[in-house]
Amino acid sequence: QVQLQESGPGLVKPSQTLSLTCTVSGGSISSGGDYWSWIRQHPEKGLEWIGYIYYTGSTYYNPSLKSRVTISVDTSKNQFSLELRSVTAADTAIYYCARDQGDGYGILGYWGQGTLVTVSS
Amino acid sequence: QSALTQPASVSGSPGQSITISCTGTSSDVGGYNYVSWYQQHPGKAPKLMIYEVSNRPSGVSIRFSGSKSGNTASLTISGLQVEDEADYYCSSYTSSSTLLFGTGTRVTVL
Repeated sequence: QVQLQESGPGLVKPSQTLSLTCTVSGGSISSGGDYWSWIRQHPEKGLEWIGYIYYTGSTYYNPSLKSRVTISVDTSKNQFSLELRSVTAADTAIYYCARDQGDGYGILGYWGQGTLVTVSS
Repeated sequence: QSALTQPASVSGSPGQSITISCTGTSSDVGGYNYVSWYQQHPGKAPKLMIYEVSNRPSGVSIRFSGSKSGNTASLTISGLQVEDEADYYCSSYTSSSTLLFGTGTRVTVL
């Protein structure tokens, strides 16, 4: 059973960089056909797809966030990471990592529990 | 990219059937059979309920079914139960090789 766990600071100052890591257990991040995703949810709001990465390093990002986002993968640690630069209060959200088991077509069958990141000075 | 359009809320009595719509464009919902539906209970991560328009993952009740016509996908919950009360989100693959979520629908069991 694949499990995902987000980790990282729960509080980030405005203009700084938000950095989160997702650790995958129970399966290999190098499995063919799986894309590793980041999704966020603003308080009391809907889901927003941030982007995903294939184990080879290929990435796809939400156009609205693309200029500030980098997703990377470390296959040796079975982890993938999110960096969101120049954050503002509008980036306060619960951040989820998830496994897209449908070749990137949006079959998000496994999710982490989510981690709340607050942007505040 | 604008979010896919869902009704803000849908309600029904136990045992009834309800349908949630998810409207997009020919560049997302209408262009691909890659629509998924997720159920989210308060304080929990979303759970995949339907993928590729109408397929149910193992373990998901047969009371949940999906369909699509043109640019609109739909999720139907039959035999509504108290535990179905939750938020539901659709998602679609897009022509930009990205994913797009719906605005979300709160289902209330009366």
